[in-house]
Amino acid sequence: GAVVSQHPSWVICKSGTSVKIECRSLDFQATTMFWYRQFPKQSLMLMATSNEGSKATYEQGVEKDKFLINHASLTLSTLTVTSAHPEDSSFYICSAQGNNEQFFGPGTRLTVL
Amino acid sequence: DAKTTQPPSMDCAEGRAANLPCNHSTISGNEYVYWYRQIHSQGPQYIIHGLKNNETNEMASLIITEDRKSSTLILPHATLRDTAVYYCIVRVARGNAGNMLTFGGGTRLMVKP
Repeated sequence: GAVVSQHPSWVICKSGTSVKIECRSLDFQATTMFWYRQFPKQSLMLMATSNEGSKATYEQGVEKDKFLINHASLTLSTLTVTSAHPEDSSFYICSAQGNNEQFFGPGTRLTVL
Repeated sequence: DAKTTQPPSMDCAEGRAANLPCNHSTISGNEYVYWYRQIHSQGPQYIIHGLKNNETNEMASLIITEDRKSSTLILPHATLRDTAVYYCIVRVARGNAGNMLTFGGGTRLMVKP
């Protein structure tokens, strides 16, 4: 099956710093990737839809200037959390669309101190 | 996309069949029923999907009622590794154009020895 990777798998950073998370589709090309966020004991919440070569579409309530998304190639999308604060601590999950299905990455756990 | 309703939690004895119900009474004719599961601290994993016929793969079976207003995911011989949150999602399959998944609360399945 299709494989999606995320890097890093976990990160701890100080408040005010920026963190970049990479999402790669390893064996297929994905024109569309999605970024989700999941707080403890809650379901996944879609943050944004990332389309290769164009601007991302953000869900209501998600600040596009805080969560920068770049989808420069068919196999890579990045999410940068700028000026991170403790309330941004969460589990960030990406997915890539391929063959009419969505394949999820393993997630990145961000802890902001 | 149509909303789904699932019980918040279920228990199942190891080795027995786990039957997870899902109600989707407002499903449209062109919407598929998808099932994903999420093991703790991992990304969601695709299980199975169907439109109106029952489906079976190496992981599970999907039974969709004739009126398509509900479905049941069946894990024929549950193991401890099947302990996870199971999400039932209905959505239109739009090919590689990309279509987000909307996650509800899911059912937390606990397989017990």
